[in-house]
Amino acid sequence: KAGVTQTPRYLIKTRGQQVTLSCSPISGHRSVSWYQQTPGQGLQFLFEYFSETQRNKGNFPGRFSGRQFSNSRSEMNVSTLELGDSALYLCASSWGVGGNQPQHFGDGTRLSIL
Amino acid sequence: KNQVEQSPQSLIILEGKNCTLQCNYTVSPFSNLRWYKQDTGRGPVSLTIMTFSENTKSNGRYTATLDADTKQSSLHITASQLSDSASYICVVSPNFGNEKLTFGTGTRLTIIP
Repeated sequence: KAGVTQTPRYLIKTRGQQVTLSCSPISGHRSVSWYQQTPGQGLQFLFEYFSETQRNKGNFPGRFSGRQFSNSRSEMNVSTLELGDSALYLCASSWGVGGNQPQHFGDGTRLSIL
Repeated sequence: KNQVEQSPQSLIILEGKNCTLQCNYTVSPFSNLRWYKQDTGRGPVSLTIMTFSENTKSNGRYTATLDADTKQSSLHITASQLSDSASYICVVSPNFGNEKLTFGTGTRLTIIP
């Protein structure tokens, strides 16, 4: 059974640009959550999607957005990139929603802003 | 404010030795506590998940303990191997959705031969 797949693995962008990251969950999983991981900050919740609907959103500016498709694949978009957006962006999938659902993480997309 | 604190921040031990990582939390209400292992450049991988009623859970050489009264958990690694070198992250879940998961900043473990 294939795991969570995130593409691309690495991205280099400059300030002001925008970027789209992709996440394909484990087959059968309908919930996808996105996290930002930076050194010293740990994982910070961005948003969660279930059945193409955003269920929850973390404390990030509106420049961060996402969506989920009917096949449960998800994308997140960051517009007007800032230096502070440099981070590892992780996607996690689970069968359902709720904190009791085990989450399976992808290997992330490393985003570097120059 | 819900918080998860892990100690030590980093740890270096010799291959074959045992070690214990600590996790203290103030998350309330409490549903479950998870330990993840994250290798450099990879995503976190689940080691154990413990609910309120579980005191101990093992996964091979990894044994997690939970004291819900004192809000403390530990992860004990037995007979360490070079492949155990990674960051270990403690995550506490309340009764709500994934937006309420509280992550610790992790303990960076290095095993030297």
